[in-house]
Amino acid sequence: QSALTQPASVSGSPGQSITISCTGSSSDVGGYNFVSWYQQHPGKAPKLVIYDVTNRPSGVSTRFSGSKSGNTASLTISGLQADDEADYYCNSYTSSTAFYVFGTGTKVTVL
Amino acid sequence: EVQLVESGGGLVQPGRSLRLSCAASGFIFDDYAMHWVRQTPGKGLEWVSGITWNSGSRGYADSVKGRFTISRDNAKNSLYLQMNSLRPEDTALYYCVKEGWPAHCFDSWGQGALVTVSS
Repeated sequence: QSALTQPASVSGSPGQSITISCTGSSSDVGGYNFVSWYQQHPGKAPKLVIYDVTNRPSGVSTRFSGSKSGNTASLTISGLQADDEADYYCNSYTSSTAFYVFGTGTKVTVL
Repeated sequence: EVQLVESGGGLVQPGRSLRLSCAASGFIFDDYAMHWVRQTPGKGLEWVSGITWNSGSRGYADSVKGRFTISRDNAKNSLYLQMNSLRPEDTALYYCVKEGWPAHCFDSWGQGALVTVSS
């Protein structure tokens, strides 16, 4: 049950777009369209921002979008804002447990 | 409004046991799978365990398999995590999490229960 691989940090200036990658295998990311993304501000519980690769929950800004190619999923944040500064985690269903596995997490910094 | 409230955390010595509880409200509890996710201070999220709506299937991370047991009582709208043979590396904030349906995601989170394993 290895964690999915994410870059440790990504940064961008206000108004720019950034993309966070999440790399797994054919047993998880590549094998199922069950990738989700979570935003976590310091001291707070994680918040769902994308589910099933591309879907946004009600109330989540349209600036957040998701995609997948092969064994790698991506989260793109467009029009970067100060409040987007947070930790982001990907998650995928995995056939190894028939449940889920998280990514290593990415710290997003708004310059 | 979905509410998930964890309880039962605290300081425990290595090798001892602890039982976490999660009281759920604001949704039809027995319609959804539930999970425990933990976060070591300053580190990332780790899926710990999950249970389907009818307890028909339960899963565990390799790091806790054989030591932790997940269960639920649908009549009491409650989720539990029995943690035995605790180790210092089990020290973490434990979140009770609701799975979405039909979406495959964790759509609601509690505020967490802190478990500290230390002598």
